Amino acid sequence: QKEVEQDPGPLSVPEGAIVSLNCTYSNSAFQYFMWYRQYSRKGPELLMYTYSSGNKEDGRFTAQVDKSSKYISLFIRDSQPSDSATYLCAMRTGANSKLTFGKGITLSVRP
Amino acid sequence: NAGVMQNPRHLVRRRGQEARLRCSPVKGHSHVYWYRQLPEEGLKFMVYLQKENIIDESGMPKERFSAEFPKEGPSILRIQQVVRGDSAAYFCASSPQTANTEAFFGQGTRLTVV
Repeated sequence: QKEVEQDPGPLSVPEGAIVSLNCTYSNSAFQYFMWYRQYSRKGPELLMYTYSSGNKEDGRFTAQVDKSSKYISLFIRDSQPSDSATYLCAMRTGANSKLTFGKGITLSVRP
Repeated sequence: NAGVMQNPRHLVRRRGQEARLRCSPVKGHSHVYWYRQLPEEGLKFMVYLQKENIIDESGMPKERFSAEFPKEGPSILRIQQVVRGDSAAYFCASSPQTANTEAFFGQGTRLTVV
C-alpha cells in the first residue's frame, strides 16, 4: 500500500462547478498536510497548508483534514478555467522533513 | 525577492555523460530539497540538505547520484554516467530554518538523456 493515495484522474468539470479532490494516507505519523498546484511544465505552487484536523479556507479554496480517517480533501468553489492544472496532495511527519506526494490529479475546467 | 532558481531549465545529455543541476534557494533559506518527477508520476523525494550537510538521502539512488550544498554557492545535484531512465524533471525546493514553514519550489530542470 502506498503511503499516500490520490484519486485518479483526469477530471473535467464545467466552469462554476464545485470540485472535490481527495487523498488518503496510511502513515499516522503525518502531521502536516499541503496541496500544491502545478501548471504544465512549471514547478509546484503551494496552495494550502494545514496542520490540524478541520477546515481551512482561503478564497475559493477549502482544505479539509480528518486525521482519524487519514483523509484530506481540497474543495474549489466557482471553478475557473484558470484552475485547470495538476493538483498534488503532500504531507510530512515533522518540521522540515521530506514531503511525500500523491500522484496528482489533472483538472480541466471547461468554459 | 527572487524565488528558488534552478538552472539550466532544460538539459540534454548523451548516455554516459554527466549531468549537473543547480539550485539557488530563496535568499536566507538554509534547507534545500531535491525531488524527481517522472512522466505520469508524482514527485519523489531524493535528498534533503542543509549548508554543508546531507540530512536525509533516503530517496537518492545508491550509485551515480550525489548532492551537495556548500557554504557558498548553489546546491548541486550531480548524476554521473546518465542513462535513459534518468530522464525526468528535477525540482529543488527551499525552506527557512524556522520550523512549521513550507518549502517553495523552483521551476525545475528537465533532463533528457538521448
